[in-house]
Amino acid sequence: QVQLVESGGGLVKPGGSLRLSCAVSGFSFSDSYMNWIRQAPGKGLEWVSYISGSGTNIFYADSVKGRFAVSRDNAKNSLYLQMNGLRADDTAVYYCGQRDHWGQGTLVTVSS
Amino acid sequence: QSVLIQPPSASGTPGQRVTISCSGSSSNIGINSVNWYQQLPGTAPKLLIYSKNQRPSGVPDRFSGSKSGTSASLAISGLQSEDEADYYCAAWDDSLNGLVFGGGTKVTVL
Repeated sequence: QVQLVESGGGLVKPGGSLRLSCAVSGFSFSDSYMNWIRQAPGKGLEWVSYISGSGTNIFYADSVKGRFAVSRDNAKNSLYLQMNGLRADDTAVYYCGQRDHWGQGTLVTVSS
Repeated sequence: QSVLIQPPSASGTPGQRVTISCSGSSSNIGINSVNWYQQLPGTAPKLLIYSKNQRPSGVPDRFSGSKSGTSASLAISGLQSEDEADYYCAAWDDSLNGLVFGGGTKVTVL
C-alpha cells in the first residue's frame, strides 16, 4: 500500500525557516520523480518543486526560487523541502507526491 | 491567474452529465498529458484521470477525460452526491519547467 507522510510543518515568524519531510513507502521511491505542491487556505493547488529520481534534475516555481531547496535520500525513502526566508504568502498546506499519490499534507503558517 | 484555465463552478442534478473544461497552451496541454484530480474538503488531491483518458484502479468509469489541441475536458456522467468536490486539471509545462494547475472547478450536485 502506497503511503506518503509529511511532517515538519508549524508556526514560524516571517523570515524564519522550516524543513519539511516526506516519508514514502509502497513504491519504488528511487525510481520516482517527486513534487511538492501547496494549497493556501481557501485557494487552489500550486506546484512548488520537482526532483527527479536520482536527484539530478530539480525545478522550482518562481515564487520560491532562491528560498526553498528540495532534496531526497533514496536510502531512507525520504523527500525534504528546506524553506528559508518564509513569508506570509507561503502559508499553506504542503503536500508531497507524484502523479498518482499525494500525502495528507502538513500545514505551514507564517505569522508574527 | 492560473496557467491552465478552468471555470470556477459547475453544477448538475443527480444522474446528469457535467463537463469541466481546461484551457492551456502549446507548451503544456498541447504537448503533455493532462491529469485530473478530485479534492474533497480537507483531503489530499486524488488522481482521477491520467494520460490518454486512463483511470487508476477504483475510479468509476463515470469519469472520463479528453483532449483536443491545447484544451482538455473532464466529464462526469451519472452525477452522484458524492461527486461534490473541487476538480483540478494539471499538466507539465515545458517552457516553465514546472507543473501547472488549473484554478479548480467546484462541482455542486443540486
